[in-house]
Amino acid sequence: DQQVKQNSPSLSVQEGRISILNCDYTNSMFDYFLWYKKYPAEGPTFLISISSIKDKNEDGRFTVFLNKSAKHLSLHIVPSQPGDSAVYFCAATRGGDKLIFGTGTRLQVFP
Amino acid sequence: DAGVIQSPRHEVTEMGQEVTLRCKPISGHNSLFWYRQTMMRGLELLIYFNNNVPIDDSGMPEDRFSAKMPNASFSTLKIQPSEPRDSAVYFCASSLGDSRTEAFFGQGTRLTVV
Repeated sequence: DQQVKQNSPSLSVQEGRISILNCDYTNSMFDYFLWYKKYPAEGPTFLISISSIKDKNEDGRFTVFLNKSAKHLSLHIVPSQPGDSAVYFCAATRGGDKLIFGTGTRLQVFP
Repeated sequence: DAGVIQSPRHEVTEMGQEVTLRCKPISGHNSLFWYRQTMMRGLELLIYFNNNVPIDDSGMPEDRFSAKMPNASFSTLKIQPSEPRDSAVYFCASSLGDSRTEAFFGQGTRLTVV
């Protein structure tokens, strides 16, 4: 049972445009959400996080939105750059317990 | 700090053999995680240590898998006997707190069991 779902395996966006990566979850007890980015042959690196008491968190070009009623979060990258091309993982946890990851979305930013 | 160090980077072994993966976490971090990445299931948590003590091993697939953390600077993940379905990339990660804090991942070990 996949508690965290990333239904789009891949996304292609032109440089300078907005990239929107989506994530859905089924467990309403999750109270903290994180995004990790992964380049080939490297381990994932932390990107941005959000607590369930917020609905938005911004860090430079990256913004995460949380819609608790829909059990949905999204990562916006504006403007997208070729260096953003990577696999993005959404993850969720309850009370700092084990982190549940989605299966990832591969983002390709082309010139 | 050199970050989380995993060895080996690549391992090819025959079915039935014992495989040991190694991890050196970042100095001072008190939490250590072992993950497995596959195409079908993404990143799955296998086991989580806090202050060298296993906290959650519910993700360990079966008795063929075992993990130890004898001290704060070293952990191992052992598969005995290995099977082709164990082929995956195994990541070790460490952090200063629980899953809400930023975890730092190693480069992973790509395991192929033939």
